[in-house]
Amino acid sequence: DAGVTQSPTHLIKTRGQQVTLRCSPKSGHDTVSWYQQALGQGPQFIFQYYEEEERQRGNFPDRFSGHQFPNYSSELNVNALLLGDSALYLCASSLGGRNSPLHFGNGTRLTVT
Amino acid sequence: AQSVTQPDIHITVSEGASLELRCNYSYGATPYLFWYVQSPGQGLQLLLKYFSGDTLVQGIKGFEAEFKRSQSSFNLRKPSVHWSDAAEYFCAVGGQGGSNYKLTFGKGTLLTVNP
Repeated sequence: DAGVTQSPTHLIKTRGQQVTLRCSPKSGHDTVSWYQQALGQGPQFIFQYYEEEERQRGNFPDRFSGHQFPNYSSELNVNALLLGDSALYLCASSLGGRNSPLHFGNGTRLTVT
Repeated sequence: AQSVTQPDIHITVSEGASLELRCNYSYGATPYLFWYVQSPGQGLQLLLKYFSGDTLVQGIKGFEAEFKRSQSSFNLRKPSVHWSDAAEYFCAVGGQGGSNYKLTFGKGTLLTVNP
C-alpha cells in the first residue's frame, strides 16, 4: 500500500521563476493538503483540495496556486519565486470525513537562489 | 485564531529515561489534537491523535498523551526512551466541522537521546 508520494525530492530555482510540485495521495484518500515548512519551523497550511476544488486556504499570496486531478493527485504551483519561498513543501492526504488524520509525504525541498 | 506553543525548543535525555514533551494550544471550540514526529529529511509521521472520549490516548512506538482541557495542554510522554526516538516532535491542533485538515503546528521540539 503506497503512502503519499511527492516529486521531485529536491529542486533549485532562480528568483522570479515558476515551479510545480506534484503529489500522489495515499491509496483510498481523496483529499490533499499542502504545507510549507521553513527551516526550523513547524509546517504552515497553504491550502486543501477536495473534489478538484480548493476547499480551504491559509495565509499565502495568490502566487501559490494548486490543482487536483480526477485521480486525486495534486499539483502546487508557485509563481514569481522569492528567496523566502525556500522551504520543504509537504503534501498530506486524508479521507474527506471529519475523523481522518493527515498522512504526510516526505516533501519536496525547494531552494530559491 | 488557533495556535500551538511548544515551550521546549530542544530536550536532551539519556536512553532509558522517561520523556515528557509539552504542548499548549489555543482553540475556540473542542480541538482535535495531534502529535507528529519528523526524522531528518523526512515527512511527518502521526504518533497519536485525540478527537474525543478518553483523555489519555495511546499511540505508536510506546508514546501516549493526555488531553487536559482545564490547562489547554496535550503533553506527550514515553516511559523509557530509545536512541531511535531522536527526532523532532510537533504538536498540532485542528477543529471539527471539516476544518481538522487545516492543522496549526507548533514550532517543534528537537529530542536528542544520549547513550
